[in-house]
Amino acid sequence: KNQVEQSPQSLIILEGKNCTLQCNYTVSPFSNLRWYKQDTGRGPVSLTIMTFSENTKSNGRYTATLDADTKQSSLHITASQLSDSASYICVVSDRGSTLGRLYFGRGTQLTVWP
Amino acid sequence: EADIYQTPRYLVIGTGKKITLECSQTMGHDKMYWYQQDPGMELHLIHYSYGVNSTEKGDLSSESTVSRIRTEHFPLTLESARPSHTSQYLCASSNRQVTDPPATNEKLFFGSGTQLSVL
Repeated sequence: KNQVEQSPQSLIILEGKNCTLQCNYTVSPFSNLRWYKQDTGRGPVSLTIMTFSENTKSNGRYTATLDADTKQSSLHITASQLSDSASYICVVSDRGSTLGRLYFGRGTQLTVWP
Repeated sequence: EADIYQTPRYLVIGTGKKITLECSQTMGHDKMYWYQQDPGMELHLIHYSYGVNSTEKGDLSSESTVSRIRTEHFPLTLESARPSHTSQYLCASSNRQVTDPPATNEKLFFGSGTQLSVL
């Protein structure tokens, strides 16, 4: 069964600190992996998209890594801000069909305290 | 960035009522989706469409129905709402055309969601 598992389930950090969120997946055949940020009561917003051949991608203070061999990804947030408080969702797409099915993780709920 | 809109943002209704959740996008995307999301849980695909007059059921069984008469409009309807339908409903569209080969830069754009509460 294709699955996406995220850890930790929730995380509290102080403003200005760094943190790393984890995503492990079993989706096969793999197409790409995305990280989304979802503010409370809003729709998810794309942060990064990585393919099999990419092992790191940055978007401002967000840096995602991908190890396709071990099927693991991480999202590193540098110098956290209060506005980083949100749920971060890992989404993996397969290429078993031309339409690319998406598999969603349950997200990591990040809270940044002042 | 995303030009995809959902209305209403919040809806509280009584059991047995018929409701329609609206979703519109102005990006000309062929592919559109409806997801259901409960607190702390992953998104579940309930319906999708690859273009006008094309609709399919998703992975999660749902008593809702959808229609796609125009490219920009993808409404979801519940004929008789029940408390078990209480959830957040998210609409999304994709920038990849149905006839395109699998693309690594396909982006999914989400609306802000409708939080539905059925009493």
